Amino acid sequence: NAGVTQTPKFQVLKTGQSMTLQCAQDMNHNSMYWYRQDPGMGLRLIYYSASEGTTDKGEVPNGYNVSRLNKREFSLRLESAAPSQTSVYFCASSSSLVDTQYFGPGTRLTVL
Amino acid sequence: AQSVTQPDIHITVSEGASLELRCNYSYGATPYLFWYVQSPGQGLQLLLKYFSGDTLVQGIKGFEAEFKRSQSSFNLRKPSVHWSDAAEYFCAVGANYGQNFVFGPGTRLSVLP
Repeated sequence: NAGVTQTPKFQVLKTGQSMTLQCAQDMNHNSMYWYRQDPGMGLRLIYYSASEGTTDKGEVPNGYNVSRLNKREFSLRLESAAPSQTSVYFCASSSSLVDTQYFGPGTRLTVL
Repeated sequence: AQSVTQPDIHITVSEGASLELRCNYSYGATPYLFWYVQSPGQGLQLLLKYFSGDTLVQGIKGFEAEFKRSQSSFNLRKPSVHWSDAAEYFCAVGANYGQNFVFGPGTRLSVLP
């Protein structure tokens, strides 16, 4: 099992460009999450999907959109990147909303 | 909504010394509590979790944590730290409604040889 995979690992964008971060899990988990991690701020939840077909905003959703493509895949889209979105992005999955979350290796995004 | 505080931003201990990392939470009901570890450049790995039952929880790598409802705390301990324990440690609290999972800001652990 690969667990949770994320692509790409690194990305540099210019302000205003768009991109999609991909996440997939092979653990048959119902719930999936996107976090951003910034120095001194821990992990902040951007969006989550409790189950296939549902998505909900987390703590910091502005500037992002998500798609739960199927049970395995949960993508995060930046429509018009801003320097404030420079961060490390982590995808996670769990069997339910209150269960252990398993994390991917992260995507380091820099917006110039 | 629940919240989590980790009062210590950075802790330095000598190899072989004992360790305690503090975590306090705010939540109206019995929380689900977690400790994760993140090595540099890596994702997060679960150390241990508390859902119910025995308030002293054993985890991987020789870590344990104790849930104290009266103090709203879930402190992480290890009797003897190894150099490989140098990492960042995150406490998290889960709930079964609303914004369901909140992480603390993290405590960075440095280990002196």
